[in-house]
Amino acid sequence: DAKTTQPNSMESNEEEPVHLPCNHSTISGTDYIHWYRQLPSQGPEYVIHGLTSNVNNRMASLAIAEDRKSSTLILHRATLRDAAVYYCILLTFQGAQKLVFGQGTRLTINP
Amino acid sequence: DAGVTQSPTHLIKTRGQQVTLRCSPKSGHDTVSWYQQALGQGPQFIFQYYEEEERQRGNFPDRFSGHQFPNYSSELNVNALLLGDSALYLCASSLGGSRTYEQYFGPGTRLTVT
Repeated sequence: DAKTTQPNSMESNEEEPVHLPCNHSTISGTDYIHWYRQLPSQGPEYVIHGLTSNVNNRMASLAIAEDRKSSTLILHRATLRDAAVYYCILLTFQGAQKLVFGQGTRLTINP
Repeated sequence: DAGVTQSPTHLIKTRGQQVTLRCSPKSGHDTVSWYQQALGQGPQFIFQYYEEEERQRGNFPDRFSGHQFPNYSSELNVNALLLGDSALYLCASSLGGSRTYEQYFGPGTRLTVT
């Protein structure tokens, strides 16, 4: 399983943008980049995914480097409810959709 | 539309006992995956069921077994419980043929082994 590297923790202020980085230097051409987050006392929640192009949805944006060796999850205007552990995961379709979670980044939002 | 549901919410067992955890997938989903999450760690993949068969398995001993029923619900069984099996057990459902790979997680079952 290809590995990702994320900072252990980050802190930001409410209503400010947050950029969560992820390094995946061993990514292969068929690996999709997925982001999940886990709010306190809940199961993980899908946030966004992409392959090569930048992606936007109602929750966040995903910016993917041109060489695909890194990506950034962008929360445009953080709220207190965005405080969670964010996981960056590489996923290759191999007949089973196994998610390999690392330690993730614990995001703290200050009011 | 109910999401993924798991039962029970909490469970306390004694070393050596056996436990069964249950999961109902999101409506329309046919694939169920199980994960173990120790305190302070990310979830670890146990196995995945699709069409009532185990499709892939993580690095867990044979004490961990599962089953998927024709209605796509699933059970996770753990035999000969060890103290180290204390964890949050998460169930996730998805569409087997989907290329989006989005998995929907339940709230988990907190298992404590004493």
